[in-house]
Amino acid sequence: EAGVAQSPRYKIIEKRQSVAFWCNPISGHATLYWYQQILGQGPKLLIQFQNNGVVDDSQLPKDRFSAERLKGVDSTLKIQPAKLEDSAVYLCASSPRGSWEQYFGPGTRLTVT
Amino acid sequence: QQQVKQSPQSLIVQKGGISIINCAYENTAFDYFPWYQQFPGKGPALLIAIRPDVSEKKEGRFTISFNKSAKQFSLHIMDSQPGDSATYFCAASPVSSGSARQLTFGSGTQLTVLP
Repeated sequence: EAGVAQSPRYKIIEKRQSVAFWCNPISGHATLYWYQQILGQGPKLLIQFQNNGVVDDSQLPKDRFSAERLKGVDSTLKIQPAKLEDSAVYLCASSPRGSWEQYFGPGTRLTVT
Repeated sequence: QQQVKQSPQSLIVQKGGISIINCAYENTAFDYFPWYQQFPGKGPALLIAIRPDVSEKKEGRFTISFNKSAKQFSLHIMDSQPGDSATYFCAASPVSSGSARQLTFGSGTQLTVLP
């Protein structure tokens, strides 16, 4: 089966610009997660969706970050405006109903200059 | 307290040796402890996981040891190979009312296995 797809793989923007990341989870996976992984650190959960509803967005900086999951399948994560400290790899993961395993995509590496 | 503390930050072992990575947690609500392996340019991938009802779980060369009273768990890689060179993350998840799990990750250990 195809894995979690993410695009773009790399993005370089200037501070105060906006950027969007796209994720296509494994087919049929009900739960979708967005993580932020700063260099040298473990992934940090930003938001969790169950189908197209938000389960937890307590660690999402809502003044600049937003996310949606269209029709319970694809998801986009947006940053507007970006700050230097947003430089990180943004990982998308999905999980099938009833499973505790999360399947991660390759991530999008964002550099904010 | 949601933090998971991982050590060491980096580890170098010889081929055939044993690699040991340790993690500690504070939140007694955690009840699922997976280890993830991450290669450069790739997302993390589940390696092995344990629940607190057992003290040890072994899958091939990989073993998790779990000490509930000390709130610590560790990953042992036996007969380490150069192909095991990667970053390893421990994680923990609390009891959830649903099937979805929210993971708190450790800071990672960069393992290098010398040929």
